[in-house]
Amino acid sequence: AQSVSQHNHHVILSEAASLELGCNYSYGGTVNLFWYVQYPGQHLQLLLKYFSGDPLVKGIKGFEAEFIKSKFSFNLRKPSVQWSDTAEYFCAVNLFSSNTGKLIFGQGTTLQVKP
Amino acid sequence: EAGVTQFPSHSVIEKGQTVTLRCDPISGHDNLYWYRRVMGKEIKFLLHFVKESKQDESGMPNNRFLAERTGGTYSTLKVQPAELEDSGVYFCASSHIQGGEQFFGPGTRLTVL
Repeated sequence: AQSVSQHNHHVILSEAASLELGCNYSYGGTVNLFWYVQYPGQHLQLLLKYFSGDPLVKGIKGFEAEFIKSKFSFNLRKPSVQWSDTAEYFCAVNLFSSNTGKLIFGQGTTLQVKP
Repeated sequence: EAGVTQFPSHSVIEKGQTVTLRCDPISGHDNLYWYRRVMGKEIKFLLHFVKESKQDESGMPNNRFLAERTGGTYSTLKVQPAELEDSGVYFCASSHIQGGEQFFGPGTRLTVL
């Protein structure tokens, strides 16, 4: 069965530290890739997405992600985190050929940024 | 533009009772999805509507769950009878394009005692 794996369940960083959250998926076909974020008390919102083209995609709030097809990875990065980045981050995959829009989510990574 | 809304925000019921969750998607979005997150686990897909038709219901746990989307607008998800393991947060999402960005509602936290 297709799955998405996020390597880190809980990350603690100090402000200004760099962030990289790992995401790998198990599916050999064409995929659409997403990173969603859930800030405390808020609903899930899209950080960035990859459908095709340049594998380095930029999202909101200074986040970016790189799609590496050979590694089945879509890691999320930010050069310098802020306290306001404290949230839970979800990697998600849509299988392009599946004739369904369903997203397969990773387990989520909770990021805590210390001021 | 109004976002996806869900009602109620919280529901506490006893085992064996019935609960109905409601989702109002963004106006004009034909695609509507239900997901569930059980505590400590990942967000899992339940089903996908395109307008009023069920495009994919492969994630529905069992026949105690019934989803409807009459008229292709809002959707309801009924759990009858509820069991303890049904506790979790139920998310609804909608999208304009299948496979495109999904906009999520705030979720309904269901607790079955």
